[in-house]
Amino acid sequence: NAGVTQTPKFQVLKTGQSMTLQCAQDMNHEYMSWYRQDPGMGLRLIHYSVGAGITDQGEVPNGYNVSRSTTEDFPLRLLSAAPSQTSVYFCASSPRSGVIQETQYFGPGTRLLVL
Amino acid sequence: GIQVEQSPPDLILQEGANSTLRCNFSDSVNNLQWFHQNPWGQLINLFYIPSGTKQNGRLSATTVATERYSLLYISSSQTTDSGVYFCAVTDTGRRALTFGSGTRLQVQP
Repeated sequence: NAGVTQTPKFQVLKTGQSMTLQCAQDMNHEYMSWYRQDPGMGLRLIHYSVGAGITDQGEVPNGYNVSRSTTEDFPLRLLSAAPSQTSVYFCASSPRSGVIQETQYFGPGTRLLVL
Repeated sequence: GIQVEQSPPDLILQEGANSTLRCNFSDSVNNLQWFHQNPWGQLINLFYIPSGTKQNGRLSATTVATERYSLLYISSSQTTDSGVYFCAVTDTGRRALTFGSGTRLQVQP
């Protein structure tokens, strides 16, 4: 198993550009989520999905879109990048969505710089 | 929403020393995890421990859910233990982790 994979590892954008951060898992996990980590802080939830076709907003969803067309993939879209979106983005997954009472597995992160 | 506070914010140890990291949370939880973020940014699961005590090698953790705190013990610390330790919880009815701001640990040789 590759676990949770994220691409790209690093990206530089100009203000106003759009891009998609990719996240994939090969563990057949139902639950997937996106977090952002700003310097000196813990992670904050952006969006999450409890299964294919089902997504919901987290703590800081503004400026981001998600979709979940397959169990394996959960891309995060930045529609019009802003410098405030400069951050490290982590994708996570866990086996079941019925309960969140289990370990979450994190990808290696994507570092995004918006100029 | 639930509040998660970690202490101390920073910790410097000599190799071989022991340490205790604390996580306080403001409401009942049904999930508590400890993570280590290494200097390369990777988040590594240490423990899933909503209650009770667990041990894994030199690391152990205890959560007292009724008193709303968890402790992470690191014994005989090594330089490879350096990084940031995060506590994260899920309160009843939510489906995502709320993270504390972390304890930054530096172990010096």
